[in-house]
Amino acid sequence: AAGVIQSPRHLIKEKRETATLKCYPIPRHDTVYWYQQGPGQDPQFLISFYEKMQSDKGSIPDRFSAQQFSDYHSELNMSSLELGDSALYFCASSFRGEAQQYFGPGTRLTVL
Amino acid sequence: GESVGLHLPTLSVQEGDNSIINCAYSNSASDYFIWYKQESGKGPQFIIDIRSNMDKRQGQRVTVLLNKTVKHLSLQIAATQPGDSAVYFCAENRGRNNDMRFGAGTRLTVKP
Repeated sequence: AAGVIQSPRHLIKEKRETATLKCYPIPRHDTVYWYQQGPGQDPQFLISFYEKMQSDKGSIPDRFSAQQFSDYHSELNMSSLELGDSALYFCASSFRGEAQQYFGPGTRLTVL
Repeated sequence: GESVGLHLPTLSVQEGDNSIINCAYSNSASDYFIWYKQESGKGPQFIIDIRSNMDKRQGQRVTVLLNKTVKHLSLQIAATQPGDSAVYFCAENRGRNNDMRFGAGTRLTVKP
């Protein structure tokens, strides 16, 4: 069965650079969620989109923005990167706002 | 073996024993809970869920118990196997657009 696809899987950036993470939800899923997981920590909810509209916002820094496109894929844009942004970034998707979310494999971002 | 409290990060059990992982949630309005399993370098994987109108739900080798009075959730794994070694997270749906808030994970190690 198709799963959530995230790209790139690994990304290395320097401080103050920008990064764009992409998420392709499971086909027919219309809701996308972004999470940040620091080393040894639990996933922290950042932001979610339903039908291309932002539906909820968590602990997303102002330096980050995200959007969902007409094909339901989503991009997380991160600017002025800081060392503390180094983390695993997970995308999850669900269908019509169903509570069960399916997670992608994550993008590991390293900021040097 | 059993984890006690929200902040015990590790649980070590012998193969074949039963495991109990505990979780305390914070929001009495949460109406849906999920247990996730996360293996190293991978995204959280759905194990089992339970709605707030239930006290117990059973899956294959796993049982989730919900005590709403004390806002406590537990995951029981029967006949624990080496493949069960992972970090386990409980997540609560706070009822707002289905964003899941994760609790601190418990690392389960199964000794052969």
